[in-house]
Amino acid sequence: EAQVTQNPRYLITVTGKKLTVTCSQNMNHEYMSWYRQDPGLGLRQIYYSMNVEVTDKGDVPEGYKVSRKEKRNFPLILESPSPNQTSLYFCASSYGSTLGTPTDTQYFGPGTRLTVL
Amino acid sequence: QKEVEQDPGPLSVPEGAIVSLNCTYSNSAFQYFMWYRQYSRKGPELLMYTYSSGNKEDGRFTAQVDKSSKYISLFIRDSQPSDSATYLCAMAPGGYQKVTFGTGTKLQVIP
Repeated sequence: EAQVTQNPRYLITVTGKKLTVTCSQNMNHEYMSWYRQDPGLGLRQIYYSMNVEVTDKGDVPEGYKVSRKEKRNFPLILESPSPNQTSLYFCASSYGSTLGTPTDTQYFGPGTRLTVL
Repeated sequence: QKEVEQDPGPLSVPEGAIVSLNCTYSNSAFQYFMWYRQYSRKGPELLMYTYSSGNKEDGRFTAQVDKSSKYISLFIRDSQPSDSATYLCAMAPGGYQKVTFGTGTKLQVIP
């Protein structure tokens, strides 16, 4: 089954304790991205990756790191989480980043709800 | 002012009604217009997208884009309880790197 998986699905942590949220896709997609979803603000892109070893900042990258060492995995790292990073996080992937092509559908993972106390 | 404005709802309609969901935007560079459906505790899923102005139909769903008014719509005909979800509009100039999402409209279809 084609899917994007995220782990953990739920996480409660404390300020300053480093954490990693994993994202994996089994569709051989080149493009992957991370979003956070907050009430009243919608989905905002944190980081994206065009391919292995190619990453770039989205709209809200402060406080986050990513890496793309393998095509299928795109972990999100919070080295020193703060309460303002409490949010619902989504990983997404697609074959390419260019819209308007037949294989440009972006697939989202099920989400990770993070609470930072 | 946000680049994309979307009424959060909630919007409650009886089963079988025609639903109209709308977004306005301010960035003239947007060329691709998308609608996502998000069920509770799930990730968004792409319903359909439209390039530039015009209409696109897919089953009970019709997407309309009016670039002159900077206004997009999603119509759902013969709405079903299974359509109850939050609907997100999204727009981009050309690629997913610069997608801007609306905040979503929560729809409830009452049997």
